[in-house]
Amino acid sequence: AQSVAQPEDQVNVAEGNPLTVKCTYSVSGNPYLFWYVQYPNRGLQFLLKYITGDNLVKGSYGFEAEFNKSQTSFHLKKPSALVSDSALYFCAVRDRGGGNDYKLSFGAGTTVTVRA
Amino acid sequence: EAEVAQSPRYKITEKSQAVAFWCDPISGHATLYWYRQILGQGPELLVQFQDESVVDDSQLPKDRFSAERLKGVDSTLKIQPAELGDSAMYLCASSPGTGISTDTQYFGPGTRLTVL
Repeated sequence: AQSVAQPEDQVNVAEGNPLTVKCTYSVSGNPYLFWYVQYPNRGLQFLLKYITGDNLVKGSYGFEAEFNKSQTSFHLKKPSALVSDSALYFCAVRDRGGGNDYKLSFGAGTTVTVRA
Repeated sequence: EAEVAQSPRYKITEKSQAVAFWCDPISGHATLYWYRQILGQGPELLVQFQDESVVDDSQLPKDRFSAERLKGVDSTLKIQPAELGDSAMYLCASSPGTGISTDTQYFGPGTRLTVL
């Protein structure tokens, strides 16, 4: 079975500082990995995904994520956080070759607060 | 930019009543998903449609929940009767292809259901 863990419920950073949101995954095959962001009372917005190739993936709003197969991680990063980045962030995984090749499994989410 | 539409945005109902949610996916998207998101958790898949056919409804509580996508375009999710534990955000998402692993799912704004 596939699963995702987001070990931090909350991340607090000052505006202008680097932001990192952690994600680790467990799959039986090779993973497809996704990051979404959710603002209050809104749906999820797609940020980026890793399918194959370069381990560093660049996405929307200046975010990037690094795929690390040996550590089974896919941490989300932004070099300089903005107050407007304050939101709930979800990591998700699909398992290639594990049978559930369409089902997306989400982590519990990490609340990011960027203070001015 | 095309978006997934959902209505209503908010619904308050009493337990034992019937409720229905509507979703209109991005035009041309063959796959449609309904998710339930309980406060403080990530979304969980309830049902997936490929065109008008159900691909996966293994997590749908079929004694009270039903979903349909009659013409392979818009979809309705119904709960009858509603229970207190059904209070959650109901999210609809769509993706272009046939539910293949690399597809990105695009989410609507959600319907916030409160059961009193």
